[in-house]
Amino acid sequence: NAGVTQTPKFRILKIGQSMTLQCTQDMNHNYMYWYRQDPGMGLKLIYYSVGAGITDKGEVPNGYNVSRSTTEDFPLRLELAAPSQTSVYFCASSDDRSSYEQYFGPGTRLTVT
Amino acid sequence: KQEVTQIPAALSVPEGENLVLNCSFTDSAIYNLQWFRQDPGKGLTSLLLIQSSQREQTSGRLNASLDKSSGRSTLYIAASQPGDSATYLCAADNNNDMRFGAGTRLTVKP
Repeated sequence: NAGVTQTPKFRILKIGQSMTLQCTQDMNHNYMYWYRQDPGMGLKLIYYSVGAGITDKGEVPNGYNVSRSTTEDFPLRLELAAPSQTSVYFCASSDDRSSYEQYFGPGTRLTVT
Repeated sequence: KQEVTQIPAALSVPEGENLVLNCSFTDSAIYNLQWFRQDPGKGLTSLLLIQSSQREQTSGRLNASLDKSSGRSTLYIAASQPGDSATYLCAADNNNDMRFGAGTRLTVKP
């Protein structure tokens, strides 16, 4: 099993551009999450999903959108990129609400200039 | 709003020492508390998860405790090794709202 995979690993965007960060998991997990991590900080939840077709906002959703059309995929869309969105983005998944052990992808390092 | 704090921000110890990392949280109505390890430039690896009804969890040389009433969790690492060098993060879960501390950067010197 590959676990949680994310693409791309690195990306540089110009202000105002858009992009989609891809996240795929092959563990048949119902729960998936997007976090951002700024330098020297902990992670902040952007969006999460409890199953295909269901998404909800986390702590810092502004400037982002998500969709969950399949169990495996949970893409994160950035519209009109801003320098404040420069960060490392992590996708995670978990399969059981009571145990809730989250499995993380390797991250996408995004720079907006 | 849940706030999670980790002290110290950085810790350097000689190999073989036992050590304790601290995590405090402001809202005791948590579902669980997790400890993670993060290596430089990498994602997070889950170390231990303590559910709200539990007091502690153990895995090998790691032991995590939870005291909801005081809003504290500790991660105890026994007989530290250079391979334990990493950043350790704790996270408190309040019903799908996971809040992370900023982490403790641990360096274990040979």
